[in-house]
Amino acid sequence: DSGVTQTPKHLITATGQRVTLRCSPRSGDLSVYWYQQSLDQGLQFLIQYYNGEERAKGNILERFSAQQFPDLHSELNLSSLELGDSALYFCASSVGLSDTQYFGPGTRLTVL
Amino acid sequence: AQSVTQLDSQVPVFEEAPVELRCNYSSSVSVYLFWYVQYPNQGLQLLLKYLSGSTLVKGINGFEAEFNKSQTSFHLRKPSVHISDTAEYFCAVSEGVRDDKIIFGKGTRLHILP
Repeated sequence: DSGVTQTPKHLITATGQRVTLRCSPRSGDLSVYWYQQSLDQGLQFLIQYYNGEERAKGNILERFSAQQFPDLHSELNLSSLELGDSALYFCASSVGLSDTQYFGPGTRLTVL
Repeated sequence: AQSVTQLDSQVPVFEEAPVELRCNYSSSVSVYLFWYVQYPNQGLQLLLKYLSGSTLVKGINGFEAEFNKSQTSFHLRKPSVHISDTAEYFCAVSEGVRDDKIIFGKGTRLHILP
């Protein structure tokens, strides 16, 4: 158990819908990272927040957005969902910048 | 920009035999290197990391990796594998304080044969 929690574990929704994935980092960690894992694209970095501020952006679509709240939990919002958005979404956290990242168990999103 | 290549998508190996999973990276600056393991239906777990210092890095579960700057490689090794090592292994690179992004390789699936 890494100490990073993600909810929900599974999510099934339809095309065009909007969903929110939630992540609680390890106690004391200030950085939160979001990743998407799919069969064709592999593991892709989406976005990082550090102490509430966006720190780095990767291959994140404009339909996706994220934020980190004052209590340091983070949410990833996915809108206008397409079939290709079906994937495992991982959250990771680290103490500061460039520290070891600890991964949560992931949220499996299925878009029908 | 940095990139990571894992040359083998799958590696079958007999139980108790040694294994090497290959990883090559490219970057124009100093890098931090990582190996993560993903067991079936689970998240990623850090096996080991290289930040600086000794080029031979020991990790959990008997794994070790060697950083070779001239060959831009960071191969993962274990002298004797167990059935419980069945998993997908990801090599990753970060440019550290210059860039917090971690770039992952496509992964190598390790199959342990009885």
